[in-house]
Amino acid sequence: QKEVEQDPGPLSVPEGAIVSLNCTYSNSAFQYFMWYRQYSRKGPELLMYTYSSGNKEDGRFTAQVDKSSKYISLFIRDSQPSDSATYLCAMALSGGYNKLIFGAGTRLAVHP
Amino acid sequence: DADVTQTPRNRITKTGKRIMLECSQTKGHDRMYWYRQDPGLGLRLIYYSFDVKDINKGEISDGYSVSRQAQAKFSLSLESAIPNQTALYFCATSDAGLPGGNTIYFGEGSWLTVV
Repeated sequence: QKEVEQDPGPLSVPEGAIVSLNCTYSNSAFQYFMWYRQYSRKGPELLMYTYSSGNKEDGRFTAQVDKSSKYISLFIRDSQPSDSATYLCAMALSGGYNKLIFGAGTRLAVHP
Repeated sequence: DADVTQTPRNRITKTGKRIMLECSQTKGHDRMYWYRQDPGLGLRLIYYSFDVKDINKGEISDGYSVSRQAQAKFSLSLESAIPNQTALYFCATSDAGLPGGNTIYFGEGSWLTVV
């Protein structure tokens, strides 16, 4: 079993839809949770960062962490064609060494 | 100019050949990483370095070696390339570790095909 599971998609939605992207994990010691966005033929870039449980909002993006269920989500409101990309979740243990464990990524396509 | 620059961006090489992927950064970060990305497997850490004198193996270091020539330069070598090393390779940098929300910055990737 992988430490981090993520549905690869592809997920295709119309412009303006609310998108929900999810990851589950098996290691209860993870404390740091991140979402990266990766456009085609580009390197991943950090989108959202959350420590421990709870919600974090940044514009149209909301990250949720439910440590009791070992489940994290990224919601995108009012999705735009420019949101079409692969979204990778990543997690890290506590401490000063930022070794990240990545999910395989979910490919999202937002069509006009 | 990109903060993290990888060369070459694309390379086709033959089985058994030695290949080096180079990475340089202008962010002034101490920490540098090499990852590979495969469809369905996500990003996996090959090697990482916290400073010029520090080199550490990651999850999948077999068949790879690295050299940290300077704070800004970190190269990855495949001594004898094999077809299952065909992948997209990313160099990355960061400053301090977690906590603090410090970001890992990725280069644009090097596509390597071993035939």
